[in-house]
Amino acid sequence: QSALTQPASVSGSPGQSITISCTATNSDVAGYIYVSWYQQHPGKAPKLMIYDVSDRPSGVSNRFSGSKSGNTASLTISGLQAEDEADYYCCSYTGRHVWVFGGGTKLTVL
Amino acid sequence: EEQLLESGGGLIQPGGSLRLSCAASGFTFSNSAMYWVRQAPGQGLEWVSTITNNGGDTYYADSVKGRFTISRDNSKNTLYLQMNNLKADDTALYYCAKRPPGIRHYFDCWGQGTLVTVSS
Repeated sequence: QSALTQPASVSGSPGQSITISCTATNSDVAGYIYVSWYQQHPGKAPKLMIYDVSDRPSGVSNRFSGSKSGNTASLTISGLQAEDEADYYCCSYTGRHVWVFGGGTKLTVL
Repeated sequence: EEQLLESGGGLIQPGGSLRLSCAASGFTFSNSAMYWVRQAPGQGLEWVSTITNNGGDTYYADSVKGRFTISRDNSKNTLYLQMNNLKADDTALYYCAKRPPGIRHYFDCWGQGTLVTVSS
């Protein structure tokens, strides 16, 4: 059982905004300050979208943003596009040389 | 362009051994900690192992501790994962991933993965 809980699926129409939550269920998750998010299209490798809760790597669209409140981190995608349809995983460093991933969320663009 | 290319996967019987390799290019390999992350068919991602940039420290998930060994050859820009006493639950696509230099807590580049199937 993952220490990070994500919804199994979310959906939205083109142009809308959606938010994917990632809740830490284990208090050992390093104060939950090192959260990253990865996008994975079918048959492809994961791609870094957000790191350190809310920082965006160069080259990632500014439609992607991250935030955190308490023990729940969130990934928000605004102006939803068909190409955003993918699986999304949150990840956190526990501070004890251990990393945990959420179970993943399947985003469907209607 | 930073690239990681895994190899060495295949079909192996339970109890068998396999060594995975990950060839790195496009960045200074010796500056980056490296990782193995796996994904069982239709499932999510699972961190497997970490090795520091100089190979001095290694860390493992409880599920593989004592059976898997991570190593690296900085002269060959290559990461390895020696997997012994394989179990059906080890069936997965194995990705290598890198961390940016310094004290960072995310994976900024992933390979395409190599498939390991443990079955009799």
